Amino acid sequence: RKEVEQDPGPFNVPEGATVAFNCTYSNSASQSFFWYRQDCRKEPKLLMSVYSSGNEDGRFTAQLNRASQYISLLIRDSKLSDSATYLCVRMDSSYKLIFGSGTRLLVRP
Amino acid sequence: EPEVTQTPSHQVTQMGQEVILRCVPISNHLYFYWYRQILGQKVEFLVSFYNNEISEKSEIFDDQFSVERPDGSNFTLKIRSTKLEDSAMYFCASSEVWGFSNQPQHFGDGTRLSIL
Repeated sequence: RKEVEQDPGPFNVPEGATVAFNCTYSNSASQSFFWYRQDCRKEPKLLMSVYSSGNEDGRFTAQLNRASQYISLLIRDSKLSDSATYLCVRMDSSYKLIFGSGTRLLVRP
Repeated sequence: EPEVTQTPSHQVTQMGQEVILRCVPISNHLYFYWYRQILGQKVEFLVSFYNNEISEKSEIFDDQFSVERPDGSNFTLKIRSTKLEDSAMYFCASSEVWGFSNQPQHFGDGTRLSIL
C-alpha cells in the first residue's frame, strides 16, 4: 500500500463549484499533515496545515480523521486560479515530508 | 515574504560530470532539506540537514551525493558523477523548528537538472 494515496484526477469543474479531494495514509504514527499546491513545473507551495479539529482558510477547509487515516480538502467557490495539482503530504516521525502523487484540478470558465 | 532561493534554475550537464546545486534557505531557518521530482512522478525526499550534519538520508542519496553548508547562507547539493536517471527537478526546502508538529517546510523554486 502506498504511504500517501490520492486520486490523480483530473477533477474538471466549473467556476464557482465546490470540490473535495481525499487522501489516505498508511502510517498511523504520522505526526503532521499538510496540503501543498503545485503548478505545472513549479515548486510545491504550502496551502495549509491539517488539524484533527478541522481548519478553514478562506475558501479552503481541511480535515484529518486519524482513526480512518484519511485527510480531506474542500474548496468552495472555485476560481480559475485554483487550477493546479494538490499534494497531500504527511510529515513522518523524523520530520521528512512524504508526498502523495497529487490530485489534478481543472477549473473551467 | 522571505523565500528560499535556488540557483541555477536550469543545469544541463554531460553524464559523468559533477554538478553543484545551490540554495539559500530562509535566514532564520535552521533545518534544510533536498527533495527531487522526476518528470511526471511525485516529490521524493533526499536528505535533511541540521547543525552542519546530515540528519537523515533516503536510499536515493547514495555515495554520489553530498551536501554542505559552506558558509552561513548557502546550502549545496553535489552529485559527483551524474547519471541519466539523475535528471529531475531538485527542490531545496527549509523550516524554522524541528521537533514540533505542524511546522511546514518552505520550498525554493527548484533547479531543473538535465543529464545528456
